[in-house]
This record gives sequence, C-alpha cells and structure tokens, in this order.
Amino acid sequence: ETGVTQSPTHLIKTRGQQVTLRCSSQSGHNTVSWYQQALGQGPQFIFQYYREEENGRGNFPPRFSGLQFPNYSSELNVNALELDDSALYLCASSLPGLANEQFFGPGTRLTVL
Amino acid sequence: DAKTTQPNSMESNEEEPVHLPCNHSTISGTDYIHWYRQLPSQGPEYVIHGLTSNVNNRMASLAIAEDRKSSTLILHRATLRDAAVYYCIPRAGTAGGTSYGKLTFGQGTILTVHP
Repeated sequence: ETGVTQSPTHLIKTRGQQVTLRCSSQSGHNTVSWYQQALGQGPQFIFQYYREEENGRGNFPPRFSGLQFPNYSSELNVNALELDDSALYLCASSLPGLANEQFFGPGTRLTVL
Repeated sequence: DAKTTQPNSMESNEEEPVHLPCNHSTISGTDYIHWYRQLPSQGPEYVIHGLTSNVNNRMASLAIAEDRKSSTLILHRATLRDAAVYYCIPRAGTAGGTSYGKLTFGQGTILTVHP
C-alpha cells in the first residue's frame, strides 16, 4: 500500500503565472484536502474534495481551484500567482468520516519570484 | 473553530517522559481532540485523538481533562525522532456547519529532544 504522493517536489514560478500541483491519495481514500503552509506557520486549510466534488473551502480566493479525478487523485491550481503564494502545499487523504485521521504527503515547495 | 493555546516550545532529554499541554476552552461537546506532529521537512502525521476518555496507542497517550477544556499529550520515553512541532486540533465529530472535517492548525509546540 503506497502512501500519499505529491508532485513536483519543488517549483519556481514568477508572479502572474499559473501553477498545477498534483496529489495521489492513499489507496481506498476518497477524500482529499489541500493545505498551504507558509514558513514558520501551521498549515492552513484551502479546500477539500470528496467523490470529485468540492466539499468545503477555507478563506482562499477563487484563483485557488482544484479537481478530483475518478481514481481520487487531485490537482490544486493557482492562477495569477502572487509573491505571498510562496509556501509548502500539502495534500492529505482520508476515509469518509469527519473524525478520521488524515494522511499527509511530503508537500510541494512553491517559490514565486 | 475552537481556539487552542499551546506553549511555543518545550525541551526534553532522550528517554524521559514529555507532557505537552493544550488549552481548548471553547471546544464544543462533539469536537474530538486530535494531535498531529510535523517532523522537519515532512508533512504532518497523525498521533492520537480522543473525545472524553483517556486514550493510548503505540505512539503516545492522551489525557483529557474532565471538563474537556484542556488535554495533555504524553510521550512516555522521548527519542530524538520525536523532535517535531506538535499540534493540538479540536475537530468536529458531527456533520453540519462548515467543518468538513478540516484540520485547523495553530502555531503548535516545538519539541526539542536532547541526547
């Protein structure tokens, strides 16, 4: 059984560009959550996908969007990148159930210049 | 979301017990108390969770106050591998509102373990 994987590991973009980050969930998990972690801060919830539908969203603007595919893998898209978007982006997969533990990937480090 | 208060940092020696406190005085009656930790350069990992009773697993023990306004994560014998940021997270256990089962991370406690 493979864990949660994310790609790419690191990414450098310039302001105004668009980026797509990818996440493969753990086998059998149909729920994927995305988090943004700025340096020195705790992760902040971006949104969650359950069975290919957005199931909840944190305080992030619409230029942060996502997708979930039939195999439950997921993408995070960020348009019109800003300098403050530089962060570690984490995805976590879980089984249904609000109290179930979330399994995190290693993250994608995005740097916006 | 319930607010949490944790010490910014704590230190321990290897093989000694560590008690990591968390205050969550605004917790609702149906919120579970989750603990996650984040080792350097890794994503967070689940440690333990509980509702009302004390809980034990292979990683740690969780002691929950009778009024549920605070809890303590107990590492029985700290190892160098336990050096991490520890997050205490009240988490909705029932549907409704805008919880979606999300994790709301605070600043956490940075645990340093000395050899």
